[in-house]
Amino acid sequence: AQSVTQPDIHITVSEGASLELRCNYSYGATPYLFWYVQSPGQGLQLLLKYFSGDTLVQGIKGFEAEFKRSQSSFNLRKPSVHWSDAAEYFCAVGAWTGFQKLVFGTGTRLLVSP
Amino acid sequence: EPEVTQTPSHQVTQMGQEVILRCVPISNHLYFYWYRQILGQKVEFLVSFYNNEISEKSEIFDDQFSVERPDGSNFTLKIRSTKLEDSAMYFCASSEGGRYSNQPQHFGDGTRLSIL
Repeated sequence: AQSVTQPDIHITVSEGASLELRCNYSYGATPYLFWYVQSPGQGLQLLLKYFSGDTLVQGIKGFEAEFKRSQSSFNLRKPSVHWSDAAEYFCAVGAWTGFQKLVFGTGTRLLVSP
Repeated sequence: EPEVTQTPSHQVTQMGQEVILRCVPISNHLYFYWYRQILGQKVEFLVSFYNNEISEKSEIFDDQFSVERPDGSNFTLKIRSTKLEDSAMYFCASSEGGRYSNQPQHFGDGTRLSIL
C-alpha cells in the first residue's frame, strides 16, 4: 500500500534562513507527488506537483521540490523563509488505482522565528 | 481564481443525528472527493465520485456515509447517525481529471464537525 512519511513533526526556522522539509514515500509504480500547505483555519493549498520529467519542480511562493527516485524522497525547499510561511505542510502521493486518491503524510508544522 | 467552497465552516451535532456537509466544486471539474482529518492526525481519503457514482471508497466510508450530487453544482456528504469518532475536519476536493490525469486536486477550507 502507498504511504508517505514526514519525519519532522515540527521545524523552527529563522526568518530569512533556508528551509528543507523532508518527505519519503512508498509506492510500487511511478509516483505522482504533491506538497500542500495548510494555514490555520484554512484549507489545503497546492504548492507544487511532480508527475514526470524534470525532477526539480517549481511551485508557488518561491518553493521548490526535488524528486529523487533512488531515495524515494520528495523534499520541499525554500531558499529564504518569510514569517508568512508559518503553516503546516503536507506531502502526498497520488495513488492511481484507476482514479486519483491522495495518500497524505502526517504533516510538518513550520514555525518561523524573528 | 476559482475555488472549492464548503458550508458550513463549523457544524455541531448531537450524537446519533444526521448531518449533511455541503461542497461546491470548481465549475468545470468532473471528479469530486471527500477527505477527513481527525485532530492531530493525517488527512485521510474517504471517497471519490465521478459521473454520478462512487468510483472508490476507503474502509472508513461505511454504510453510515453517503455522497450525492443533487444538482449541477453541489456535492454533499451525509453521515446518517453520527458517532463521537466522526468528529473531524472534512475536506471536499475536486479535480479536472481523474483516471491517469495530471490534474491536481483543489481543496476547500473544510467543515469542522463536532459531535457532542
